[in-house]
Amino acid sequence: DAGVTQSPTHLIKTRGQHVTLRCSPISGHKSVSWYQQVLGQGPQFIFQYYEKEERGRGNFPDRFSARQFPNYSSELNVNALLLGDSALYLCASSYYNEQFFGPGTRLTVL
Amino acid sequence: AQSVTQLGSHVSVSEGALVLLRCNYSSSVPPYLFWYVQYPNQGLQLLLKYTTGATLVKGINGFEAEFKKSETSFHLTKPSAHMSDAAEYFCAVSEKGKSLPLIRDYKLSFGAGTTVTVRA
Repeated sequence: DAGVTQSPTHLIKTRGQHVTLRCSPISGHKSVSWYQQVLGQGPQFIFQYYEKEERGRGNFPDRFSARQFPNYSSELNVNALLLGDSALYLCASSYYNEQFFGPGTRLTVL
Repeated sequence: AQSVTQLGSHVSVSEGALVLLRCNYSSSVPPYLFWYVQYPNQGLQLLLKYTTGATLVKGINGFEAEFKKSETSFHLTKPSAHMSDAAEYFCAVSEKGKSLPLIRDYKLSFGAGTTVTVRA
């Protein structure tokens, strides 16, 4: 079975731009979560969606938004990019007690 | 609110030696606890998890961890380190959902990570 897939793998943007990151969960998984991992730190929770509804939001500004589609794939959008948004963005799909992570999208903001 | 503390940001061991990574947590509810491994430029891979039942949990690649409620700890061990164990390791605790259905795969709170290097 295919694991969690994310696109793109790498992305370079400049300050003030907008970015969209995409995630496809494991088949059958209805929950998708997004995490931000800044270099040298543990992942930080951004959002969780379950059955297309937002179930939780971490301590991130309103520049961050997300949505989940009927096929359970998800997009993470970040507006007005700042240098501090440079990070590895991880998507995870979950089933009961376990979250399965994708390889991440490396975002660099210049 | 949950939080996780990993003691030691870097651990260096000799090949064949014991690997011990320390994790302490705080949780207002019975915790679900996890250890993940991350290799360079990759996502996170689950090593093992504790939900309920036996407090000694065995995972992949020879790792195991013991849940000690009285010490609020979930330390990870491997009896004999291999060069392939060089990676970053994260301890995490999950928070119970606040709305129906009360799924336990609500957000994970991670520690800061411990980088393991293995000396030949």
